[in-house]
Amino acid sequence: KAGVTQTPRYLIKTRGQQVTLSCSPISGHRSVSWYQQTPGQGLQFLFEYFSETQRNKGNFPGRFSGRQFSNSRSEMNVSTLELGDSALYLCASSPPWSYEQYFGPGTRLTVT
Amino acid sequence: GESVGLHLPTLSVQEGDNSIINCAYSNSASDYFIWYKQESGKGPQFIIDIRSNMDKRQGQRVTVLLNKTVKHLSLQIAATQPGDSAVYFCAEIIQGAQKLVFGQGTRLTINP
Repeated sequence: KAGVTQTPRYLIKTRGQQVTLSCSPISGHRSVSWYQQTPGQGLQFLFEYFSETQRNKGNFPGRFSGRQFSNSRSEMNVSTLELGDSALYLCASSPPWSYEQYFGPGTRLTVT
Repeated sequence: GESVGLHLPTLSVQEGDNSIINCAYSNSASDYFIWYKQESGKGPQFIIDIRSNMDKRQGQRVTVLLNKTVKHLSLQIAATQPGDSAVYFCAEIIQGAQKLVFGQGTRLTINP
């Protein structure tokens, strides 16, 4: 069974721009979560989607948003990029009735 | 509050020795804990989990111990191998919330 895939793997943007990252969960997984990883803050929860609905949300500004499609694929968007948004963005999917989360390789975003 | 912390940021052990990585958590409502391993350039990889109604769980070369009295979690890796070199994170899930709260991570280095 294929793992969680994320595209693109690397991205360079400039301040003020916006970016969209994509995540395809493991087949059969309906819950998709997003995390931001930085050296200073570690791994921080952004939001979680289940059946196209945002079910949980972390403490990030409204510039960070996401959505989930009917096939469980998810996207996250960051608008008006700031230097501090440079990070590894990780997506994780969960099987039904389980807390286990399986992570993708991440998208490395660099904001210049 | 929601916080999971690690006692040591780095740990070096000799190949073949056992290693113990510790983790403290603060939320007594947490009912599920996971250890993840993250190698350079990759997303976190699930190692082992434990529910709050358990004290110990064993996997292949790994054992997780949970002490709810002092809110402490540990990961024991037996007979360490070079491939065990990575950053290890503990994470907790609070009952009813599908989001992981991660600790800062411990970098484990296996010396030949």
